[in-house]
Amino acid sequence: DVKVTQSSRYLVKRTGEKVFLECVQDMDHENMFWYRQDPGLGLRLIYFSYDVKMKEKGDIPEGYSVSREKKERFSLILESASTNQTSMYLCASSRYRDITEAFFGQGTRLTVV
Amino acid sequence: AQSVTQLDSQVPVFEEAPVELRCNYSSSVSVYLFWYVQYPNQGLQLLLKYLSGSTLVKGINGFEAEFNKSQTSFHLRKPSVHISDTAEYFCAVSDRGYGGSQGNLIFGKGTKLSVKP
Repeated sequence: DVKVTQSSRYLVKRTGEKVFLECVQDMDHENMFWYRQDPGLGLRLIYFSYDVKMKEKGDIPEGYSVSREKKERFSLILESASTNQTSMYLCASSRYRDITEAFFGQGTRLTVV
Repeated sequence: AQSVTQLDSQVPVFEEAPVELRCNYSSSVSVYLFWYVQYPNQGLQLLLKYLSGSTLVKGINGFEAEFNKSQTSFHLRKPSVHISDTAEYFCAVSDRGYGGSQGNLIFGKGTKLSVKP
């Protein structure tokens, strides 16, 4: 069975902290994505990666960075968390560059106080 | 670049009534189309997808969608809804990664379906 696992379901962090959100997929997929979900705004793409050590900016990359050192793992980093980064974060993966299906993790609800 | 518009942010409906959730997209190239469902505090689950072939696509839980290229639409339908269908539904489009470039997956803003007894 296809599985995308996000390391935390809920996180509470303080303003200014460095925050790591981890995502692991066990399907040998090439592509991995980080989205941010906010009420009324849908899912907005932060970053995606189509190969190890490769990354591309999405629509809202400001304030975020990513790391993909191994094919199965894609990390989202908030260098200095701010309250406007309080949100639900969703990780996804797809097998090929030609995206015929994407699989999602359960999401991480991050609160920055 | 592609974009997706979900025309209704909220759709209230009574149990056993039919429902249609509307989705329009824009793209300069051929696309793949998807509908995902999200239950409270969960990730997204694929309901159905259109890749090619028949324009009427059937998915899980009795949902179906029709791809209309001339109207650039991909509306989701169910003939009789249940309380358990209460969730948020997202339409998405992928540009297939033409010319060897990286494909992209863009979502609409979502439609909250509320099924009342």
